[in-house]
Amino acid sequence: QKEVEQNSGPLSVPEGAIASLNCTYSDRGSQSFFWYRQYSGKSPELIMFIYSNGDKEDGRFTAQLNKASQYVSLLIRDSQPSDSATYLCAVNIRGGADGLTFGKGTHLIIQP
Amino acid sequence: SAVISQKPSRDICQRGTSLTIQCQVDSQVTMMFWYRQQPGQSLTLIATANQGSEATYESGFVIDKFPISRPNLTFSTLTVSNMSPEDSSIYLCSVDDGVDEQYFGPGTRLTVT
Repeated sequence: QKEVEQNSGPLSVPEGAIASLNCTYSDRGSQSFFWYRQYSGKSPELIMFIYSNGDKEDGRFTAQLNKASQYVSLLIRDSQPSDSATYLCAVNIRGGADGLTFGKGTHLIIQP
Repeated sequence: SAVISQKPSRDICQRGTSLTIQCQVDSQVTMMFWYRQQPGQSLTLIATANQGSEATYESGFVIDKFPISRPNLTFSTLTVSNMSPEDSSIYLCSVDDGVDEQYFGPGTRLTVT
């Protein structure tokens, strides 16, 4: 069974610090990787996606991908209380325009 | 990104009945997907809705329980049939924007009593 694993948390980070969220996946052939943010009672919001090994930066967010280790991470710099949410890692296992396999999410709390 | 709307936003239904959920997109998209998010859980893909062909269902989901229509490139429906309390979930549609990024609608919160 194809799996995406995340630590459910909660992960508590002081305001202004770096929050580090981690995700591992089981299918070595996975093609693309996504991070979504979900506030309570809301639908998931796409933050970033990454396809190639290495880092990808977008504002305060950096996604990191290591296909050899089957590991994806999301770093949030200068964390703000508004970043408090559940962060979902999702993987496109089959490639192309296809459905995603989601992890269970990490609940992040930014402490003012 | 595409603007996605869903109807209804929430509903309370009796067991044994069916509910049809609509998903409307403001632009033409090739791929639409339906997901379920059970209480306190993550998202699970139900099926891929293809325009002009039968939907493709994931393991554990069947057409008789979750019939899907995709009459054009901006609209899809998901029906939850013969509902039981276990079907109480949030149902979400998503669209692929053409570059393999998926965006979600606001969801439909279904409670079955």
